[in-house]
Amino acid sequence: EVQLVQSGAEVKKPGESLKISCKVSGYIFTTYWIGWVRQMPGKGLEWMGIIYPSDSDTRYSPSFQGQVTFSADKSISTAYLQWASLKTSDTAMYYCARQTTDNSGPVEYWGQGTLVTVSS
Amino acid sequence: QTVVTQEPSLTVSPGGTVTLTCASSTGAVTSGYYPNWFQQKPGQAPRALIYSTSNKHSWTPARFSGSLLGGKAALTLSGVQPEDEAEYYCLLYYGSTQVFGGGTKLTVL
Repeated sequence: EVQLVQSGAEVKKPGESLKISCKVSGYIFTTYWIGWVRQMPGKGLEWMGIIYPSDSDTRYSPSFQGQVTFSADKSISTAYLQWASLKTSDTAMYYCARQTTDNSGPVEYWGQGTLVTVSS
Repeated sequence: QTVVTQEPSLTVSPGGTVTLTCASSTGAVTSGYYPNWFQQKPGQAPRALIYSTSNKHSWTPARFSGSLLGGKAALTLSGVQPEDEAEYYCLLYYGSTQVFGGGTKLTVL
């Protein structure tokens, strides 16, 4: 059974750093892309970008380029989304999702989401 | 900046049929945009329904179907059930980037 299990909710202050995780099971981690999606409170889904864990090839949405960093640890089948300096506007639910290819493949399985709250 | 547009809200009666659409600011949506559709209920993660315009996942109920209609991607629900009340999002592919639509809130009334 394919599963994407995300790390728990976080409460941070502006300027702090953060790394959230997405641990996968039920398939070979290095053969699918992992995408990240933001959902701000009461708003729609926003595609942030994707990473290919096999070689850490990444594609960032222009809206998120330079604002976040994707990474992956093949040894523990886990993908990461990190911020160097959080802003209050980063408050949102963040989802990871499995995608078969980078430019056409279906987005299939989703994590349960990680709620990030940034407040002073 | 590319914008993907969906109807903000639609209402359908139980047992009825409704079509949601997904338009691109770049022009007509074709199969080369590989439209995906997702359902999201309050407090839940999105769930994939349709990929590459019209392909269903193994878990997608038969009453959901995808197509291209009048230059847009479309999601049709036939024989709507009360549990279909949800937010629906489309996702289009633009080469190395992807863009979600703003979502359609479907009310079953």
